[in-house]
Amino acid sequence: NAGVTQTPKFQVLKTGQSMTLQCAQDMNHEYMSWYRQDPGMGLRLIHYSVGAGITDQGEVPNGYNVSRSTTEDFPLRLLSAAPSQTSVYFCASSYSGQGGTEAFFGQGTRLTVV
Amino acid sequence: GIQVEQSPPDLILQEGANSTLRCNFSDSVNNLQWFHQNPWGQLINLFYIPSGTKQNGRLSATTVATERYSLLYISSSQTTDSGVYFCAVGRKTGANNLFFGTGTRLTVIP
Repeated sequence: NAGVTQTPKFQVLKTGQSMTLQCAQDMNHEYMSWYRQDPGMGLRLIHYSVGAGITDQGEVPNGYNVSRSTTEDFPLRLLSAAPSQTSVYFCASSYSGQGGTEAFFGQGTRLTVV
Repeated sequence: GIQVEQSPPDLILQEGANSTLRCNFSDSVNNLQWFHQNPWGQLINLFYIPSGTKQNGRLSATTVATERYSLLYISSSQTTDSGVYFCAVGRKTGANNLFFGTGTRLTVIP
C-alpha cells in the first residue's frame, strides 16, 4: 500500500537553480494537488489537476510549474529557486467529483533555498 | 477561498486528560477532514467528516455543517497524541481543493 509517494524527502538548492519534486500515487485517483506549508501556518494550495492533461492554479502558483501526463504522476517544477520558496511541500490525491472525497497526503519534501 | 479558524492555537495537557478542538469555517462545504501532523511532519488522516459524528478509538469528531463548525474530541490523551491538529475544508462546487486552518498545537506531558 504505497499511497502517495514524494521524492526527494529533503533538498537544498542554491538561488536560481531549478529542480523537480516528484509525486506518484497508486490509487487511480483523478485529482492531485500540491501544497506548501510555511512555519506556523496551514497548508496552501499551489497547483492542482483534475485529470491527465488538465492543470490549474491554486492560491500561491507563482514560481512553480506543473504538468499531468499520466494519472499516476504529478511533478512540481521550480524554474528558478528563490529563498521565499523554502518550505515543506506536500502532494495530495483523491477521487474527483463535486461530492467531495477524502484526500491522502504524501510524506512531504523539505526544501531549503540558500 | 474559505476562511478556516481553529481554536485554541495551543493546548498543553496532562496525560490522561480530555480535550476538545474546534474548527469554524466561513462557507458551505462538502469536504471536511481532520489531520494530525506528527513531530516528524507527516500528515495523518484522522477523520473525513463533512457532516455527522464519527469515532475511532479515543478520538471522535462531530461536524454541524449547517452551523459551519466541527469539533475533534480527544479522550484519555497520551504523549503520542502530541503534534499539530489541522482542520481542512473543501467547497461544494469545483475541484476537491482543501483550505486549511493554522492548526492547534497539542502537547501532552507525562
